[in-house]
Amino acid sequence: GQNIDQPTEMTATEGAIVQINCTYQTSGFNGLFWYQQHAGEAPTFLSYNVLDGLEEKGRFSSFLSRSKGYSYLLLKELQMKDSASYLCVITQAAGNKLTFGGGTRVLVKP
Amino acid sequence: DAGVTQSPTHLIKTRGQHVTLRCSPISGHKSVSWYQQVLGQGPQFIFQYYEKEERGRGNFPDRFSARQFPNYSSELNVNALLLGDSALYLCASSLGQFYSTEAFFGQGTRLTVV
Repeated sequence: GQNIDQPTEMTATEGAIVQINCTYQTSGFNGLFWYQQHAGEAPTFLSYNVLDGLEEKGRFSSFLSRSKGYSYLLLKELQMKDSASYLCVITQAAGNKLTFGGGTRVLVKP
Repeated sequence: DAGVTQSPTHLIKTRGQHVTLRCSPISGHKSVSWYQQVLGQGPQFIFQYYEKEERGRGNFPDRFSARQFPNYSSELNVNALLLGDSALYLCASSLGQFYSTEAFFGQGTRLTVV
């Protein structure tokens, strides 16, 4: 089966940086997504990593190490609207389903 | 452009009843997947349909079934509802069968079983 671990909750201050770590164990790993989900809303796509390395998109960056089964999502210049759950999601070589971690709830304080 | 649309948005049912949830994918997308999200947890995969055929099934009982229509819309059916079926049901739409690009999620149907 698959196992995805990410912290349950993190708190940070507006304007700061937060790094959300995700470790996974799976067979036939293909790629890793990060999704953002505000309370009561649909998950929205943030990033997709297939190869090792860092992908940067504005204030958000995502890193992947396939050999270590490790990824992180970096949120810079935090804003109050970044308060949400962040979901680490993997796909396997068979690729026809998304396997979600439990999500990390980030609370941004003034 | 319309995104993924789900109906209804909220639903209250009694234990033992049956429910049908509906999803329309983004135009041109042929894959629809269903996920169950219990409060405080990540979504769990229920089904994937691609080109009107079931292509994947998660670890859910036979009370859960689904189908995809020629226009690629989909229905999720749950029979003999239990209290534990209370959750947000999400529909995900994608272009192809395999997730090489992002999946787009609908707003979900919040099902409450009482």
